[in-house]
Amino acid sequence: GAVVSQHPSRVICKSGTSVKIECRSLDFQATTMFWYRQFPKKSLMLMATSNEGSKATYEQGVEKDKFLINHASLTLSTLTVTSAHPEDSSFYICSARIAGVTDTQYFGPGTRLTVL
Amino acid sequence: AQSVAQPEDQVNVAEGNPLTVKCTYSVSGNPYLFWYVQYPNRGLQFLLKYITGDNLVKGSYGFEAEFNKSQTSFHLKKPSALVSDSALYFCAVRDYGGSQGNLIFGKGTKLSVKP
Repeated sequence: GAVVSQHPSRVICKSGTSVKIECRSLDFQATTMFWYRQFPKKSLMLMATSNEGSKATYEQGVEKDKFLINHASLTLSTLTVTSAHPEDSSFYICSARIAGVTDTQYFGPGTRLTVL
Repeated sequence: AQSVAQPEDQVNVAEGNPLTVKCTYSVSGNPYLFWYVQYPNRGLQFLLKYITGDNLVKGSYGFEAEFNKSQTSFHLKKPSALVSDSALYFCAVRDYGGSQGNLIFGKGTKLSVKP
């Protein structure tokens, strides 16, 4: 149980285009999902917290107009990187917390974004 | 502010030997502590957590961790390492300062188990 999927697993795009990454909780409902960014050999940096049916909460320094987050249902959150640039290239990981259970987060497999 | 520290960038162990991956924490209240493992180009997998109760917590894949309040540590241990345990290990603490209870991660420790 507690499986989280991400799609796509890998994406390559041209500079200036937008890319959407999906995060799904497959066997549970997630009122809260988190989006992280991980640089090579670095820890995870929390970008934003996504709550179903409300606006995401962004961490300091994260541009909300560039990283659009939509949590439209209890099983799906999306991250859209708008007008992507090479410096946005990274490994993006989502996690989900089971509704009513507030401690453990379950992570997706990650999405490798490469912007040319 | 809550934080965790993983003092070792890399730990090298021979297969069959015990392993320890260190983690110390700093929190203002009772800590919620976690260990996650990450294999190359993959997301994080939950190993174990400490909320309350027994100081020795048993988790997945034969791993365990000992909560030590006096030393503010939560070291990850396994009695006999496997080559397949080679991965990146993250210690994390729940952020009480955040409104959503997100996790604060250490920088990670690369575990290398040689045959």
